[in-house]
Amino acid sequence: KAGVTQTPRYLIKTRGQQVTLSCSPISGHRSVSWYQQTPGQGLQFLFEYFSETQRNKGNFPGRFSGRQFSNSRSEMNVSTLELGDSALYLCASSLAGQGSTQYFGPGTRLLVL
Amino acid sequence: AQSVTQPDIHITVSEGASLELRCNYSYGATPYLFWYVQSPGQGLQLLLKYFSGDTLVQGIKGFEAEFKRSQSSFNLRKPSVHWSDAAEYFCAVGAVAVTQKLVFGQGTRLTINP
Repeated sequence: KAGVTQTPRYLIKTRGQQVTLSCSPISGHRSVSWYQQTPGQGLQFLFEYFSETQRNKGNFPGRFSGRQFSNSRSEMNVSTLELGDSALYLCASSLAGQGSTQYFGPGTRLLVL
Repeated sequence: AQSVTQPDIHITVSEGASLELRCNYSYGATPYLFWYVQSPGQGLQLLLKYFSGDTLVQGIKGFEAEFKRSQSSFNLRKPSVHWSDAAEYFCAVGAVAVTQKLVFGQGTRLTINP
């Protein structure tokens, strides 16, 4: 079974631009979560989607948004990029039942100049 | 609120030596606990997890962890490390029954001396 895939793997943007990252979960997984990883703040939860609905949201500004499609694929969008948005963005998928495990993708490395 | 503390930012051990990585958590109910490993430039790979039952959990690559409720700890151990174990290790806690959100510790970077 294929793992979680994320595209693109690397991205360079300039301040003020916006960016969209994509995540394809493991087949059959209905929950997709996003995390931001930075050297200073570590791994921080952004949001979780389940059956096209946002089920939980972390403490990030409204510039960060996401959505999930009917095939469980998910996208996250960051508008008006800031230098501090440079990070590794990780996507994880799971079956979402009690006791289920999250499986992580390789991440998208975003550099904001 | 949930929180996870990994007291050791960086640990160096010799190849063949035993390893213990510490993890302390704060959570109001019975936690779901995880250890993940991350190699440079890679995503996170699950080593093991604890949901309930036996407090000693076996994982992949020869790792094990012990849940100690009285100490709010979930330490990761390996009897003999290999050079390929060099990576960053993250402990995480979640309320998986309600949401998939995980709260991670800051990570412990493991260096292996030959």
